[in-house]
Amino acid sequence: GAVVSQHPSRVICKSGTSVKIECRSLDFQATTMFWYRQFPKQSLMLMATSNEGSKATYEQGVEKDKFLINHASLTLSTLTVTSAHPEDSSFYICSARVRGGLSEQYFGPGTRLTVT
Amino acid sequence: LAKTTQPISMDSYEGQEVNITCSHNNIATNDYITWYQQFPSQGPRFIIQGYKTKVTNEVASLFIPADRKSSTLSLPRVSLSDTAVYYCLRTGANNLFFGTGTRLTVIP
Repeated sequence: GAVVSQHPSRVICKSGTSVKIECRSLDFQATTMFWYRQFPKQSLMLMATSNEGSKATYEQGVEKDKFLINHASLTLSTLTVTSAHPEDSSFYICSARVRGGLSEQYFGPGTRLTVT
Repeated sequence: LAKTTQPISMDSYEGQEVNITCSHNNIATNDYITWYQQFPSQGPRFIIQGYKTKVTNEVASLFIPADRKSSTLSLPRVSLSDTAVYYCLRTGANNLFFGTGTRLTVIP
């Protein structure tokens, strides 16, 4: 149980275009989902916390107009990277906290974004 | 800025016990400690979670002293497939801090 999927697993896009990444909790309801970014050989950096039905809370330094997060249901959150640039190339990972659970998070497999 | 630090890397021979420590001096009363394993280009995988004292499951043990300013992940007998990066995560109701990560290399 507690499986989180992400789609796509990897995407290549041109500079200036937008890319949408989906995060789904497959067998549980997640009131809270998290989005992370990870650069090579670095730790995960929390970008934003997304609660179902409300606006996402962004970490300091993360542009909310560039990284649009939507959490429309208890099993789906999306991250849209708008007007992507090469410096946005990274590994994006989502996680979901089980509804009513303590603090354990289940992570998706990640999405590798390359902006050319 | 709250820091959650770990040794950058560790090497171990197959079959040995490995202990990885995470320092979290600013841990809050309601924070839990969770450890994850990550292979290249994959999402982190849950290993173990605890609040204080000792927790053990089928793959690892977690030791958290009384002051909770550190935690130690213990892998009893590592194999080559345990080569990965290990992260501690300090998380509470309103905060979330990943450790810097420890790259464990298991040597035959």
